Amino acid sequence: AQSVSQHNHHVILSEAASLELGCNYSYGGTVNLFWYVQYPGQHLQLLLKYFSGDPLVKGIKGFEAEFIKSKFSFNLRKPSVQWSDTAEYFCAVSTTDSWGKLQFGAGTQVVVTP
Amino acid sequence: SAVISQKPSRDICQRGTSLTIQCQVDSQVTMMFWYRQQPGQSLTLIATANQGSEATYESGFVIDKFPISRPNLTFSTLTVSNMSPEDSSIYLCSVGARGYTFGSGTRLTVV
Repeated sequence: AQSVSQHNHHVILSEAASLELGCNYSYGGTVNLFWYVQYPGQHLQLLLKYFSGDPLVKGIKGFEAEFIKSKFSFNLRKPSVQWSDTAEYFCAVSTTDSWGKLQFGAGTQVVVTP
Repeated sequence: SAVISQKPSRDICQRGTSLTIQCQVDSQVTMMFWYRQQPGQSLTLIATANQGSEATYESGFVIDKFPISRPNLTFSTLTVSNMSPEDSSIYLCSVGARGYTFGSGTRLTVV
């Protein structure tokens, strides 16, 4: 069965610091990859997604992610975070075997301090 | 992308009762998905709802506990039956072949 691993469960950093959140998946076939964000008290929002093409994907709010097929990874990055980036971030994967179904990672709680 | 209206947004229910959650989409979609997010946890897929056929449930979820209806291509309901405090979660519906839009969720507390 496929799985999705997020390396950090809790990250604390200062404003203007760079952020990188790791995501690895276990599936040998074609995947669709997603990063979602959940701000405190709000619902899930799609940050970015990868289906095919350029492995460097740019999303909303200055986020980007890089798909490295050989490493089964889809890490999320932001060069300079703001206090408003405090949220929980979820990596998710869907595969050709489970079309439409998303398998989520455990999530990473990011706290940005002023 | 599709816009999803989900209701109720929250509810507090007595154990042993049932709650039906509604999900309305502003466009026709083939597949709708129901997820659960338990407190402090990630999202877990409950079932896939296709119009005109029985819902397909993931391991650990059964129809008697989570019956689903899908009467047309824009609407679905999920019922949480015979609730216990362990059912306290956020329940979300999702649609979309590309992008997987989520509803705002139903925060259920069972007391």
